[in-house]
Amino acid sequence: GQQLNQSPQSMFIQEGEDVSMNCTSSSIFNTWLWYKQDPGEGPVLLIALYKAGELTSNGRLTAQFGITRKDSFLNISASIPSDVGIYFCAGYMNYGGSQGNLIFGKGTKLSVKP
Amino acid sequence: EAQVTQNPRYLITVTGKKLTVTCSQNMNHEYMSWYRQDPGLGLRQIYYSMNVEVTDKGDVPEGYKVSRKEKRNFPLILESPSPNQTSLYFCASSPRWGGDEQYFGPGTRLTVT
Repeated sequence: GQQLNQSPQSMFIQEGEDVSMNCTSSSIFNTWLWYKQDPGEGPVLLIALYKAGELTSNGRLTAQFGITRKDSFLNISASIPSDVGIYFCAGYMNYGGSQGNLIFGKGTKLSVKP
Repeated sequence: EAQVTQNPRYLITVTGKKLTVTCSQNMNHEYMSWYRQDPGLGLRQIYYSMNVEVTDKGDVPEGYKVSRKEKRNFPLILESPSPNQTSLYFCASSPRWGGDEQYFGPGTRLTVT
């Protein structure tokens, strides 16, 4: 089945640093989504991308839909402590209007540098 | 407030005792789905529903049932729970027919002993 490779698996951030993470797939998608999950909560949708090459921002977050449709990137600028959590990418593909599936990456865990 | 709600949030039960986890959304979404989240395995879809009385299997449907009698509700039923169904369960809904752009509930942590 389709799989998403999300990297890095984990990273430590210091307040004020910029953060980058990405997702790659062997298959193409026509939608890419980025979610954040805090401990004990459900994933919250951060950004949705619908077109190859699209660059979309949500505050300090910027995500891009890769031109090949097989990858997506999320950048967080000037990180703050509340950015800590697990970030998931998700890709969606349907064919000719049929029902598709939302496939999730395994997540990138952001923690504060000790 | 637009939201997806789940009940209960925490449940400990014993093998074989039937249980139902409720899910409700107030956004008039047609698409709803259930996921389980396990360490190292990520989020995996159990069942989804594209509309009232329309349901289909996701990636891991064995041991689960669902029903969609009303647009807002999508309960998850475990007829005979087993320990391997211990997991964190999420209900989600989507305003889009295909089920992309999904919005998640707060989760139900289920332990089956």
